[in-house]
This record gives sequence, structure tokens and C-alpha cells, in this order.
Amino acid sequence: DAGVIQSPRHEVTEMGQEVTLRCKPISGHDYLFWYRQTMMRGLELLIYFNNNVPIDDSGMPEDRFSAKMPNASFSTLKIQPSEPRDSAVYFCASSLPPKGYNSPLHFGNGTRLTVT
Amino acid sequence: RKEVEQDPGPFNVPEGATVAFNCTYSNSASQSFFWYRQDCRKEPKLLMSVYSSGNEDGRFTAQLNRASQYISLLIRDSKLSDSATYLCVVRGGSQGNLIFGKGTKLSVKP
Repeated sequence: DAGVIQSPRHEVTEMGQEVTLRCKPISGHDYLFWYRQTMMRGLELLIYFNNNVPIDDSGMPEDRFSAKMPNASFSTLKIQPSEPRDSAVYFCASSLPPKGYNSPLHFGNGTRLTVT
Repeated sequence: RKEVEQDPGPFNVPEGATVAFNCTYSNSASQSFFWYRQDCRKEPKLLMSVYSSGNEDGRFTAQLNRASQYISLLIRDSKLSDSATYLCVVRGGSQGNLIFGKGTKLSVKP
């Protein structure tokens, strides 16, 4: 199993540009999560999907952020337009359904975003 | 009250020491509990699940106290390689999302 795959690993962009982060979850995992991590705020849940359907997007900071999951093996997180305060590490994670202890999260390596 | 709270540390301990971390959670309906470990500039990785009866994995022991809504992690005979940030994680009942604490930083010195 290849694990959760994220791309790119690093992204440096200028303020105002569009940024697209990509994620491929572990095959068979019904849940997909997008987290953002900063020193000040720790790991924050942005949005999560169940069977490709967004369940809770209350963590999405504002309308500049959008996420899609067109199929079970691919998701994107888009920021348009990007701002310097969006600089953070963005993690994608996937899991089995939340019943029981067989449902921990498996994280990708993350995308380190820097907006100048 | 924050959903999941941890002492940020840092905990600076000598090699071989025993160290304990606590974590409190606010949602009494929470059903699943985990400890994750995160190394500097890496992704979080599952250390161990936390069962109601308590569980042990080598030098690591996790405990859950539902009445007081706290979770603990005990590390015995600390190794240099245990230096990392330890994240307490709680998963709600009917919800699928996991809530992470901000983590407790551990530094094991020679």
C-alpha cells in the first residue's frame, strides 16, 4: 500500500495566485480529511468527505478556500486568491469509517505552502 | 473550554526517565481516542489507540478515564528517539472528524 499521496510537497507562490493541492487517499478508505497546521493554531480540520460527499466544511476559513472530491481516489483543495496568512502545512488524511478502533487517520506527507 | 487540551510543554527529560502526558476532552460523546506522534517537519503518525481498559505497547502505556474525560500516555525508559511532539486525538460519536490537541513536545536528553 502506497499510503496517502499528496502533491506538491512544496509550493511557493505570490499573493493573489491560485493554489491547488492534490491528494490520493488509501484505496478502500471512505473518509478523506484536509487539515492545516501552523505553529500558532496547531492542526485544524478544514473539511472532510465521506464517500466523496463533503460532510463538514465548517473549518474552511473563507470563500477563498474550496475542496472537491470527484471520485474515491482523488481530492483537491484550492485557494483562490492566496494570501500570505495561508502559509502553512496542509495535510490530507484518510480513514475507514469511524466505528471502533480500526479507524485512525493515515496522513500524507503534507504540502508546505508559502505565499509571499 | 477547548475541545482537546494538552500541556504544550516542552518536557525536557534525561534518557531513561519516565514521563507522563495528560489530555482532556470536552465532548462526553467521544468514542475513539488516539495518541499520535509527530516529528519535526513530518506528518503525524499513529502511536497507539487508547482503550477503555487501558493498553500497553512496549514502553508506552495509554489510559482513558471517561468519567473525568482525560487520556494519559506514559513513556517508560525514555530514549533519545522518543523526542517528538505527542498529539492527543479524539473522535466524536456520530461524527467522522477527529479533533487534535496542539500537542506536547518531548525532548529526551543524553
